[in-house]
Amino acid sequence: AQSVTQPDIHITVSEGASLELRCNYSYGATPYLFWYVQSPGQGLQLLLKYFSGDTLVQGIKGFEAEFKRSQSSFNLRKPSVHWSDAAEYFCAVGAYNTDKLIFGTGTRLQVFP
Amino acid sequence: DSGVTQTPKHLITATGQRVTLRCSPRSGDLSVYWYQQSLDQGLQFLIQYYNGEERAKGNILERFSAQQFPDLHSELNLSSLELGDSALYFCASGPDTGELFFGEGSRLTVL
Repeated sequence: AQSVTQPDIHITVSEGASLELRCNYSYGATPYLFWYVQSPGQGLQLLLKYFSGDTLVQGIKGFEAEFKRSQSSFNLRKPSVHWSDAAEYFCAVGAYNTDKLIFGTGTRLQVFP
Repeated sequence: DSGVTQTPKHLITATGQRVTLRCSPRSGDLSVYWYQQSLDQGLQFLIQYYNGEERAKGNILERFSAQQFPDLHSELNLSSLELGDSALYFCASGPDTGELFFGEGSRLTVL
C-alpha cells in the first residue's frame, strides 16, 4: 500500500538550532517526493521536490532534504531555524503523471526565541 | 502566490444545505485536484480532473460531486451538509511531473 509516515506530530526547537523532520514512505513505483509547508490559515506551499538524480535537494527558505532509497526516507533539514519557520510541514509522495499525491499527517514545528 | 484561485475563502451554512466551491487552476495546468483538510482526518484526497474528465476518485462522499469546465476551472458541490463536513477544502493544480500548487482554501463551517 502507498503511504507516507511522519513519525513526529509536534517538534519544538529554539531559534538558531538545527532541524530535521522525518519522513518515510511506501510506494510501489519510483517515487517523486515533496515537502510542503502550511502556515496557519494558509494553503500548502511547495518547499522542495525530488524526482531523480542528486539525492540531496535544495529548496526555498534554506531547507534541504535527502532521499535515501535504502531507508525509504526523505528527511527535511535546516541548519538554523528562524521563528518564521513555525508552521506545519507535510511530506508527500507521488509519481510522474500521477493521479494524486499522498500526504503524511504532518509535523507541527514550534520555534522558541 | 501559487496561481491557483479559490472562492469563497470562508462560508458558513446550516446542516442540510448545499454549497459550491470554485477553483481556477494555474495557467497551463490541465489537472485539478480537490483535497479536504480536517483536524481528525488530515489532508484527504477527494477527486482529480484532467482536461475536463474525471481521472481519479479518493475519499469523496456520494453527497459531494465535482466537475471541470471547458475553461478548466472546477467546482466542488457539497450537498446535504452535515456538521462533520466542516473543514478546509483545497484545490490544487499541477503539471504532469506530479507537484501540486495549492490555493489558499475555502473554509466551510456547517452549523
